[in-house]
Amino acid sequence: GQQLNQSPQSMFIQEGEDVSMNCTSSSIFNTWLWYKQDPGEGPVLLIALYKAGELTSNGRLTAQFGITRKDSFLNISASIPSDVGIYFCAGHPTSGTYKYIFGTGTRLKVLA
Amino acid sequence: DAMVIQNPRYQVTQFGKPVTLSCSQTLNHNVMYWYQQKSSQAPKLLFHYYDKDFNNEADTPDNFQSRRPNTSFCFLDIRSPGLGDAAMYLCATSSKAGIAQNIQYFGAGTRLSVL
Repeated sequence: GQQLNQSPQSMFIQEGEDVSMNCTSSSIFNTWLWYKQDPGEGPVLLIALYKAGELTSNGRLTAQFGITRKDSFLNISASIPSDVGIYFCAGHPTSGTYKYIFGTGTRLKVLA
Repeated sequence: DAMVIQNPRYQVTQFGKPVTLSCSQTLNHNVMYWYQQKSSQAPKLLFHYYDKDFNNEADTPDNFQSRRPNTSFCFLDIRSPGLGDAAMYLCATSSKAGIAQNIQYFGAGTRLSVL
């Protein structure tokens, strides 16, 4: 099925560093969701974005809905060891559907 | 409290032996989804229900079936599991109305092993 381009695929960073990841699509979306998935668990919703240009924060996490509606960014500030996991973006297309398109994931490892 | 509950968390079955995974939700959401996820890949949609309307993905094998007897429950039946069906199975829900619209909530998943 269709997937979003998510980058980077993986990141190794030092504790305390900031992290940025993004998703891009050739299609327009009306909602962007960002999830974190720990090993052996289901994805947990971090941030939901509904409007082009919207900037939303959740603690150390900040995400933005791109102006073109074809991309989204997630930033994590001052990373800590528990930020380790896989981050997925998911987009909801504007056309009448209940399906979501998932990014390929960014695997984050934080070195203490 | 968990809002999307999957049981069991871990399931071991034998090659060819039918298995059923269950999902329940306390959110009263219209839409329920089943995904298959392998090796830290993105979740792959198998099918979804809008209320009782069933929507199968074109590439979902016939080996996978689903039932939704009521709003709260949804089941994934694998009629004859093969080794390639070993994966994490994720249930999710979404609402199509109100401020929570378009947000998809996942259960903790069921890890299926096939021996």
